[in-house]
Amino acid sequence: SQQGEEDPQALSIQEGENATMNCSYKTSINNLQWYRQNSGRGLVHLILIRSNEREKHSGRLRVTLDTSKKSSSLLITASRAADTASYFCATDAAAGNKLTFGGGTRVLVKP
Amino acid sequence: SQTIHQWPATLVQPVGSPLSLECTVEGTSNPNLYWYRQAAGRGLQLLFYSVGIGQISSEVPQNLSASRPQDRQFILSSKKLLLSDSGFYLCACQRELQETQYFGPGTRLLVL
Repeated sequence: SQQGEEDPQALSIQEGENATMNCSYKTSINNLQWYRQNSGRGLVHLILIRSNEREKHSGRLRVTLDTSKKSSSLLITASRAADTASYFCATDAAAGNKLTFGGGTRVLVKP
Repeated sequence: SQTIHQWPATLVQPVGSPLSLECTVEGTSNPNLYWYRQAAGRGLQLLFYSVGIGQISSEVPQNLSASRPQDRQFILSSKKLLLSDSGFYLCACQRELQETQYFGPGTRLLVL
């Protein structure tokens, strides 16, 4: 089974609204990463949060990590039509060298 | 910065035919390399990873194999394709001492 599971599976919002998606995982991690994938393309790294961090910001992105609940959230503020994509969380477990990806959240931002 | 090339972009192959997908990396040396498969609308499944030339780790038993003949070349192969091999294949690299992965554009494989 996958380490990370995103929730919701799909999200539809209006431009300007915030989009929030969650990721849960099962084992101890070194870090958790969020990636974005435009339809039919490769993934692009967005942000990394380490296991000893609780919150991180990058532009319009805000990531939180709760290791006690084994969960993370990604918030995209003031969304734009160009934010339409699938978003994946990935965990880097203690063994290193490998990432385990969740099933993704498909986000549609309507203009 | 590194660039990952994959080809072909799209491939339609009959069941039972062989497969060779190539991934090459520019802009970095001695990277970790990865092959993932993505089913439609789903997450990524790690198939193989390599930490050096000739070093391949397989994550799931399957009809595929991987090879790394050169530092920045990673090849995914099959002797006889199955219908279940259809999917979107992504190559990724991770630079030495770094934690993030960089992905190529992917190859969409349809086995008929």
